[in-house]
Amino acid sequence: DGGITQSPKYLFRKEGQNVTLSCEQNLNHDAMYWYRQDPGQGLRLIYYSQIVNDFQKGDIAEGYSVSREKKESFPLTVTSAQKNPTAFYLCASKIGAPTNEKLFFGSGTQLSVL
Amino acid sequence: RKEVEQDPGPFNVPEGATVAFNCTYSNSASQSFFWYRQDCRKEPKLLMSVYSSGNEDGRFTAQLNRASQYISLLIRDSKLSDSATYLCVVNAGKSTFGDGTTLTVKP
Repeated sequence: DGGITQSPKYLFRKEGQNVTLSCEQNLNHDAMYWYRQDPGQGLRLIYYSQIVNDFQKGDIAEGYSVSREKKESFPLTVTSAQKNPTAFYLCASKIGAPTNEKLFFGSGTQLSVL
Repeated sequence: RKEVEQDPGPFNVPEGATVAFNCTYSNSASQSFFWYRQDCRKEPKLLMSVYSSGNEDGRFTAQLNRASQYISLLIRDSKLSDSATYLCVVNAGKSTFGDGTTLTVKP
């Protein structure tokens, strides 16, 4: 079945540590996105990529980094510079950007600080 | 002002009630609109696309008013299983989400 796979489902970070969240899709979508969701709030865009080897900052990129070396993969690194990383992280993709097609989501990663 | 604003909620309604949510957007160049449903600690799932002509899917009806720049979602005959957070999404190149409206349907 085609879809988006995020891993791990739960992740714990120690202070000063970098952690990487995985996102893989087999939908052959060009565009991929990372969102952050805090309790009781909507989704905020961290980074997005419209094509391999290219990505742009979203609204809250500080303390995060991404890469897009393959069409299928868009990993997100939460760096030690992100002082409040506890949140629910969602990866999404769509056919292309800017198109008006709907987004497909992975099942999310809950990141917590130890 | 946020690009996309939703009714803050929460909405607490009895089973069988009719409930409506609104979502306003600021970018008049927005081209496509969606309603997503999100259960606690799960990913959002597409509920409906929204068209100017309006569209209906069973108990759910979505409307778009371009002149006033808002979209709406109407749920008729509410079920316990409708309890969730409803997110509106507006596309103008990138997808912008509202903060969501939480609905609780009670017996």
